[in-house]
Amino acid sequence: QVQLQESGPGLVKPSGTLSLTCAVSGGSISSNNWWSWVRQPPGKGLEWIGEIYHSGSTNYNPSLKSRVTISVDKSRNQFSLKLTSVTAADTAVYYCAKRGANYVFAFDIWGQGTMVTVSS
Amino acid sequence: QSALTQPRSVSGSPGQSVTISCTGTSSDVGGYNYVSWYQHHPGKAPKLMIYDVSKRPSGVPDRFSGSKSGNTASLTISGLQAEDEADYYCCSYAGSYVYVFGTGTKVTVL
Repeated sequence: QVQLQESGPGLVKPSGTLSLTCAVSGGSISSNNWWSWVRQPPGKGLEWIGEIYHSGSTNYNPSLKSRVTISVDKSRNQFSLKLTSVTAADTAVYYCAKRGANYVFAFDIWGQGTMVTVSS
Repeated sequence: QSALTQPRSVSGSPGQSVTISCTGTSSDVGGYNYVSWYQHHPGKAPKLMIYDVSKRPSGVPDRFSGSKSGNTASLTISGLQAEDEADYYCCSYAGSYVYVFGTGTKVTVL
């Protein structure tokens, strides 16, 4: 069973870059799956940020596309999120998630999430 | 892409049924049969409960069912149990490899 674990700084300064990594265990990141990032601001709903396939192909939320980069590191079996020019509005719990062969249009595996606060 | 609209909260007594609506547009919910539902207990990972509008992953009780009519999808929990108390989110494919989530609904078991 695939498991996902997010990691990264819990505090980022305004105008800085948020960087998170999602480690994939129990399976290969090169399998037929898309690897996503989803976030949840405090007291608000979930927001899909974007996803990547092991080939490097990406899809992004149009509202965040200009600030988001998702990359994959097959040697480390992990994928990463970079969000630039952050503001307080980017404060959220960030989750990594998988959708794939069995659930093509749904996210069947999620990480526990990691809280990122944007503050000086 | 605007978030799909869900009621802020619904409640029911144990054994009763509750239904959560998820309203979108013809560009998302109404345009594709790719609506999924997630149960989220605070502090835990969201859990997939329904995919492709009405299909249940292995291990999800058949008390959970999904449907869709036009631009509105619904999740029904029958025989409500205490452990069903959680936040629930719908999600829809919105074309062009983009996904949109709902605003979330808190289910309270009275």
